[in-house]
Amino acid sequence: GAVVSQHPSRVICKSGTSVKIECRSLDFQATTMFWYRQFPKQSLMLMATSNEGSKATYEQGVEKDKFLINHASLTLSTLTVTSAHPEDSSFYICSATAPVGFETQYFGPGTRLLVL
Amino acid sequence: QQQVKQSPQSLIVQKGGIPIINCAYENTAFDYFPWYQQFPGKGPALLIAIRPDVSEKKEGRFTISFNKSAKQFSLHIMDSQPGDSATYFCAASKDTDKLIFGTGTRLQVFP
Repeated sequence: GAVVSQHPSRVICKSGTSVKIECRSLDFQATTMFWYRQFPKQSLMLMATSNEGSKATYEQGVEKDKFLINHASLTLSTLTVTSAHPEDSSFYICSATAPVGFETQYFGPGTRLLVL
Repeated sequence: QQQVKQSPQSLIVQKGGIPIINCAYENTAFDYFPWYQQFPGKGPALLIAIRPDVSEKKEGRFTISFNKSAKQFSLHIMDSQPGDSATYFCAASKDTDKLIFGTGTRLQVFP
């Protein structure tokens, strides 16, 4: 199957700082990438959908100014958590897909964010 | 109408047992129903998926049963092993559009 990577795998930061998480499709060109957030023992909640070269579409209740998404190329999308607060501590997971030859989304390994 | 309801929340079986996890959906536009396996601290991995034109699909020890009229689908794990202990999520979507996930089932398989 297709491989999606994320970097970093875990990050600890101070409250008020910004954190950038990268999502890369390693062996295919991902026209669409998705960002999810998962709190402990809960399901994955979709935050936003990003298509290469266009603005991300955010789900209801997700602050677009706080969670900045940039899908700059067909293999890279970034999520920046701006002015992070302890309540932003969570597991962030990206997934990627392509319209041709892909039946599903392929998920990255996730990034654990802890805001102190 | 976008919800996917999953049960049970947790499941404990002995090695060799056949755990069954059930999901129900409401949106008849959904046409893709995958199951994901997630280990602690890892991203979800696709196990098996089904489309509404078939009622059953098997891949190794994993089987999906699909009931279109009841809008329900289930995952059966044959000859379960301790290594199958993980959280399982069902999901639904229209094509490869955004996935709607179930709430998850935590499975524990004891030796």
